[in-house]
Amino acid sequence: DAGITQSPRHKVTETGTPVTLRCHQTENHRYMYWYRQDPGHGLRLIHYSYGVKDTDKGEVSDGYSVSRSKTEDFLLTLESATSSQTSVYFCAISPTLAGGKGTQYFGPGTRLLVL
Amino acid sequence: KNQVEQSPQSLIILEGKNCTLQCNYTVSPFSNLRWYKQDTGRGPVSLTIMTFSENTKSNGRYTATLDADTKQSSLHITASQLSDSASYICVVRGMDSSYKLIFGSGTRLLVRP
Repeated sequence: DAGITQSPRHKVTETGTPVTLRCHQTENHRYMYWYRQDPGHGLRLIHYSYGVKDTDKGEVSDGYSVSRSKTEDFLLTLESATSSQTSVYFCAISPTLAGGKGTQYFGPGTRLLVL
Repeated sequence: KNQVEQSPQSLIILEGKNCTLQCNYTVSPFSNLRWYKQDTGRGPVSLTIMTFSENTKSNGRYTATLDADTKQSSLHITASQLSDSASYICVVRGMDSSYKLIFGSGTRLLVRP
């Protein structure tokens, strides 16, 4: 998985609790992304980062926040988890912005269940 | 709305057979198209990337084709193996955003012995 780890790999939580997912890379890539994957839907971008402390919203950012204090770490926080946020979350990295010809490399995913 | 539609949703084939997966998109203008393979419980892995000026690209037993006029792409798998069992995702990037990739919902392929 191209030097990308995600933690935790599985999590069960209750509605209303905050949850933080961590993505760690060893590739020193500039760009990092958080996606969610749901049955019947393609991967959807939540937030992305183009450098330390530089982040921007994706298409499904409501209810999520991110932080990137170091090149290697990108955190995704669900401020108050809801059942609609039950999903599989993937972190991705790339040396150039995703829309270019460069490849994105994906982590192994975090399966989150919100009860 | 820009969309990427894949067909079939699922497919079962016998080991050693060939198969073709389809991707139709409405993204316009269009920059590049990618095919990813996603094994169960894993993240997607890139197979091919084609720009609008390319009409075919191969990666081993995987061959992707692109017809930018009809906005169609296909992924052909030759001499399938059990390890080809996975979801295959078509991804399109338009010209209007530097970061946004539009993902199809995938075709789930099962190769049986």
